[in-house]
Amino acid sequence: QVQLVESGGGVVQPGRSLRLSCEASGFTFSGKGMHWVRQAPGKGLEWVAVIWNDGSERYYAESVKGRFIISRDNYQNTLYLEMNRVTAEDTAVYFCARGKGLEDSSGWFYFFDSWGQGTLVTVSS
Amino acid sequence: DIQMTQSPSTLSASVGDRVTITCRASQSIRDWVAWYQQQTGKAPKLLIYKASNLASGVPSRFSGSGSGTQFTLTISSLQPDDIATYYCQQCDNYSWTFGQGTKVEIK
Repeated sequence: QVQLVESGGGVVQPGRSLRLSCEASGFTFSGKGMHWVRQAPGKGLEWVAVIWNDGSERYYAESVKGRFIISRDNYQNTLYLEMNRVTAEDTAVYFCARGKGLEDSSGWFYFFDSWGQGTLVTVSS
Repeated sequence: DIQMTQSPSTLSASVGDRVTITCRASQSIRDWVAWYQQQTGKAPKLLIYKASNLASGVPSRFSGSGSGTQFTLTISSLQPDDIATYYCQQCDNYSWTFGQGTKVEIK
């Protein structure tokens, strides 16, 4: 079955960097777009970034654009999120999620069909 | 960016009740909505995609409807295991947004 296991979370000081990983199994990783979605303590879900299955395209939320980098290693079946210049507003549980797309006459609808358990990132001095 | 507004924010109902959650989009999004369930301390779980399609393994008491700007998630007979927060989600121009969530409690 599909498994997504995040790691790399922890406490990081404001302005520093941190790299999250998400190890995938149970499906053909190289065939799927992958996302990061975060959830601040007691808050709702916020999409962070997406990377196409072959890494050819990447998109980011405005709140992280220019600071975070999403990448993947299709040989290691692993997704990454490099978080730079972090602030307190980046404190959250970070989930990796598998993307799924459905095409109709209007174009493509993308959503998330499997999620990892998340890894907590706390930005604090 | 397209905004998604859910109502109510919190809902209290009895076991066996019919429960309806509404999600309104700030502009027409066809039937491009998904719904997720998140139980406390757990990852979100896909329930419904493309407004009305039940995800694999999801009980048939869950259903979705709507198109354009107004969407609903219905639980036909609330069960104790349905205690969770529910989120709608849309995707437009490579930007994904969620509603703020609806917390469902047992009365």
